[in-house]
Amino acid sequence: NAGVTQTPKFQVLKTGQSMTLQCAQDMNHNSMYWYRQDPGMGLRLIYYSASEGTTDKGEVPNGYNVSRLNKREFSLRLESAAPSQTSVYFCASRPSPGQGNTGELFFGEGSRLTVL
Amino acid sequence: QKEVEQDPGPLSVPEGAIVSLNCTYSNSAFQYFMWYRQYSRKGPELLMYTYSSGNKEDGRFTAQVDKSSKYISLFIRDSQPSDSATYLCAMSETGNTPLVFGKGTRLSVIA
Repeated sequence: NAGVTQTPKFQVLKTGQSMTLQCAQDMNHNSMYWYRQDPGMGLRLIYYSASEGTTDKGEVPNGYNVSRLNKREFSLRLESAAPSQTSVYFCASRPSPGQGNTGELFFGEGSRLTVL
Repeated sequence: QKEVEQDPGPLSVPEGAIVSLNCTYSNSAFQYFMWYRQYSRKGPELLMYTYSSGNKEDGRFTAQVDKSSKYISLFIRDSQPSDSATYLCAMSETGNTPLVFGKGTRLSVIA
C-alpha cells in the first residue's frame, strides 16, 4: 500500500532555476495539500486542493504554483527558485469527513530541496 | 500572535518518565484536534485525534482538550527511547478546512 508518494526525494537547484515536485496518492482521497517545513517554523501550508479541479492558497503561497492534474496527483512548481525556498516539502492527502473519517492528513515522506 | 502556539523544546527526559506536551490556540472555532508524531527524516503520522472537548486514551498516550482555556495536551506514560521524535499539534475548524500546525516539540527519551 503506497499511500502518498513524492518525487524527487532530494533536489539541488541554482537560484532562478525551475522545477516541479510531484505527488500522487492511491487512497482515493478528495483533498490534497502541500506544506513546507523549516527549522523553528513548523509545517506551513503552501496550497491545497479540496477536490479535483479546485486549488486554494495557504499561508505561504508566494513563489509557488500548483496543478491538480486529476484526483490522484497534485504537483507543486517553483518557477524561479530562491534560497528562501530551501526547505523540506511535504505532500498530504485527506479523505472527506464522515463515515468515521477523522479528517486525518496522510503525509508523504518529504522532498528535500536546496536552492544555492 | 500565531493561531497555534507550541513550545519547540527540546525536551529531554529519562526512560519511564511521564511526558506532558502542550499547545495553546486562539481560534475558538477549532473543533478537530490532533497530535502527530514525526521521526527524523520522515513524514508526520497521526498519533491521537480528539473531536471537540474531552479526553482520549490509547495505551500509554492520553490527549486532552480544554476548549474553555483553548489548551490541548498530550501525555505519554512510561516513556520509551522509541518515543524520541518531534510531536506536532494540529487543529482545524471542520473536517474539510486545512489543519493548522504548531511548530512541534522535539522530545528525547534517554535510556
